[in-house]
Amino acid sequence: EVQLVESGGGLVQPGGSLRLSCAASGFTFSNYAMTWVRQAPGKGLEWVSSINSGGSNTYYEASVKGRFTISRDNSNTLYLQMNSLRAEDTAIYYCARDAYGVADYWGQGTLVTVSS
Amino acid sequence: DIVMTQTPLSSPVALGQPASISCKSSQSLVHRDGNTYLSWLQQRPGQPPRLLIYKIFNRFSGVPDRFSGSGAGTDFTLKISRVEAEDVGVYYCMQGTQFPPWTFGQGTKVEIK
Repeated sequence: EVQLVESGGGLVQPGGSLRLSCAASGFTFSNYAMTWVRQAPGKGLEWVSSINSGGSNTYYEASVKGRFTISRDNSNTLYLQMNSLRAEDTAIYYCARDAYGVADYWGQGTLVTVSS
Repeated sequence: DIVMTQTPLSSPVALGQPASISCKSSQSLVHRDGNTYLSWLQQRPGQPPRLLIYKIFNRFSGVPDRFSGSGAGTDFTLKISRVEAEDVGVYYCMQGTQFPPWTFGQGTKVEIK
């Protein structure tokens, strides 16, 4: 059974940092690209960042480029390092498996709140 | 970026009645590999999104057959043949053809009338 479990969210002050993790199981992690999608309170879904299966190519939404860094490692874990956080980054962050243009499995999400 | 536009944004439906959601893309979603990477996602209240339909009309594992997808090019439709109480939630179309980024429709809220 494919499982994606996010962690690392919490309350952080503007300008602060957080590192999100997504632990994957039930599939060959190294065969799939992975993606972070966020959802602000009461809003729709917004793509944030993706990484290819080998970890060599990364992609970012314009507003997070230069502040967020996506990465992955051999322990079947996806990461999102978030620096210089802003109030508008407040959202639930989901990791999703990218099955060639299809977001087929999603985690439960982790809430990031940026507030003083 | 490709813009995805859904209508309606809200759909009150009586139990057992059909529901239909339209999704239009600002550009053709036909990929150079010949596939059309248009998906439909369901988000029940308090839950993460869940894949229902991929590549226009393919039902994902475990999805009931009352859900169906159709369309081509820039115009797509999700239909629920007979709405059940568990279908309440927000439905999103999503394109994965032109990447980056993935882009999503605004969401359509399905509720019981």
